Amino acid sequence: QITLKESGPTLVKPTQTLTLTCTFSGFSLSTSGVGVGWIRQPPGKALEWLALIYWDADKRYSPSLKSRLTIKDTSENQVVLTMTNMDPVDTGTYYCAHRDYYDSRWSFDYWGQGTLVTVSS
Amino acid sequence: QSALTQPRSVSGSLGQSVTISCTGTSSDVGAYNYVSWYQQHPGKAPKLMIYDVNKRPSGVPDRFSGSKSGNTASLTISGLQAEDEADYYCCSYAGSYTVVFGGGTKLTVL
Repeated sequence: QITLKESGPTLVKPTQTLTLTCTFSGFSLSTSGVGVGWIRQPPGKALEWLALIYWDADKRYSPSLKSRLTIKDTSENQVVLTMTNMDPVDTGTYYCAHRDYYDSRWSFDYWGQGTLVTVSS
Repeated sequence: QSALTQPRSVSGSLGQSVTISCTGTSSDVGAYNYVSWYQQHPGKAPKLMIYDVNKRPSGVPDRFSGSKSGNTASLTISGLQAEDEADYYCCSYAGSYTVVFGGGTKLTVL
């Protein structure tokens, strides 16, 4: 049974760095084809893909946010996303999700419950 | 990498069919058969409904189907039920191991 859960601060100040942790179970990030992604959703708005880390340690980022994002595998069933220079427009729910190329290709088949991050002074 | 284009809202009556479109470019939707669709109810996480354009994960009713023509993918929901009322998002592989989501469509069941 695959599960994912996001954790991190609910409130950050503008210009601060956000660090979110995705703790997962039921799969290994070292298994060929597996990846963990981060997706965010501002209140009342659309989903936006942020980053993906793959089983082979390859990392990919949204071109529009690449300079602010870092994704890493802690090797302890956790994936960490950091986003620098936070702004109120970054307010939203942040999700982590599982992806398995050999199962459902380029889709996210399991999602965490999401964590709401508010950026405000 | 721009967001895929979806209608902001669609509606249909109970038992009828609706189709939601998702328009991309020749670099994403048109280039790969890797379009997925997600259903999201208010306050909930998205749920995968369709992947690889037209494949359904286990447990998804066969009322949900997907297709693609050129740079536009479509999600069709037949035999609309009240619980189908939700937001729907498309997503496509965009090359270089990246993905892009659509702007979302709110489905209202009348």
